[in-house]
Amino acid sequence: EAGVVQSPRYKIIEKKQPVAFWCNPISGHNTLYWYRQNLGQGPELLIRYENEEAVDDSQLPKDRFSAERLKGVDSTLKIQPAELGDSAVYLCASQYTSGIEQYFGPGTRLTVT
Amino acid sequence: ELKVEQNPLFLSMQEGKNYTIYCNYSTTSDRLYWYRQDPGKSLESLFVLLSNGAVKQEGRLMASLDTKARLSTLHITAAVHDLSATYFCADFTGNQFYFGTGTSLTVIP
Repeated sequence: EAGVVQSPRYKIIEKKQPVAFWCNPISGHNTLYWYRQNLGQGPELLIRYENEEAVDDSQLPKDRFSAERLKGVDSTLKIQPAELGDSAVYLCASQYTSGIEQYFGPGTRLTVT
Repeated sequence: ELKVEQNPLFLSMQEGKNYTIYCNYSTTSDRLYWYRQDPGKSLESLFVLLSNGAVKQEGRLMASLDTKARLSTLHITAAVHDLSATYFCADFTGNQFYFGTGTSLTVIP
């Protein structure tokens, strides 16, 4: 079974530029999470989806971040415009809604210069 | 405010020694998780602890949960170099995972 797929793996952009990350969860997983992991810290939730509905986006900085999960499968996370402080690893994870394990993708390492 | 605190943050230990990582959480947790992260890699699930007194073991690692004390421990027995990594605990409450800051473990030959 394929795991959670994320792309790109690395991205370097200049500040004020837009950037987008893509996540393909494990097949059949209804729940999808986007996390941000700053250097030396644990992951912090940005948004949680149940199917195509964003059920928890309270920690998503909505002035510059947006996310979507069309058809309840793949998801994209966008930042526009990026700031220096957005440099981090962006992790996607998925799980069955009734399951107890979440499975992480490899992450996208974003560097904003 | 939900808090998950780990200590120590950094741990350097010699091969063959034993040590314990502590995870304190502030909520009435539904579940407590332990993850491992190697440098530049994603998180790998190690243990899920579902109830008070739960103990799980895999190889040289053993995790336990005391919900009354709001404390989970990850015990390392006879450490080997391959265990060098960062270990995170995570509290699952209200359909959300709250991660600790991580413990960076280095096992010295």
